Amino acid sequence: DAGITQSPRHKVTETGTPVTLRCHQTENHRYMYWYRQDPGHGLRLIHYSYGVKDTDKGEVSDGYSVSRSKTEDFLLTLESATSSQTSVYFCAISDGRTSGTGGANVLTFGAGSRLTVL
Amino acid sequence: GQQLNQSPQSMFIQEGEDVSMNCTSSSIFNTWLWYKQDPGEGPVLLIALYKAGELTSNGRLTAQFGITRKDSFLNISASIPSDVGIYFCAGESSGTYKYIFGTGTRLKVLA
Repeated sequence: DAGITQSPRHKVTETGTPVTLRCHQTENHRYMYWYRQDPGHGLRLIHYSYGVKDTDKGEVSDGYSVSRSKTEDFLLTLESATSSQTSVYFCAISDGRTSGTGGANVLTFGAGSRLTVL
Repeated sequence: GQQLNQSPQSMFIQEGEDVSMNCTSSSIFNTWLWYKQDPGEGPVLLIALYKAGELTSNGRLTAQFGITRKDSFLNISASIPSDVGIYFCAGESSGTYKYIFGTGTRLKVLA
């Protein structure tokens, strides 16, 4: 594995409760991403980070916040979980190299975190 | 926003057959990636493409970066049962470092 760990792998929670998912990498990659995967929608970008304390929104960022205080950790927080946020969440990392060859700038994914909001 | 149309959505094929799938975009991309996802796991990179017209192989898999930079194709030759899974394309516009994914092609191989 490329050294990406997501935790927890499974979580069941109730509507209105806060939830934090953690992504930890040991590759020292600059870029980290959170995607959600739902049937019929593929993978949709929630937020991404291009460095410590540097983050930006993706296409489905409403209801989510992120933080990156260290290179190796990227946290995804649902301040008040809703049933529509039931999904599988994937973290991904990228070195952001622009050499254009040899696997540069590709996404490597974690194993996923399955969240169920009741 | 940007959209990727991936087709077909699903395929049932006989073992030994060749498979083709493609993605088209409303925007120009500078990088195309192809992934395979097995049940309960994260997507795994198959092929990365960086230049318009580029043709790259990985074993029985061949992918091409379309000349218009708005499309990409993945071919699997002589399919085997372990090819079963969901295949995703992803594209990145220059300098954004944000990848947009297609909705996936679910492949089932009949022995």
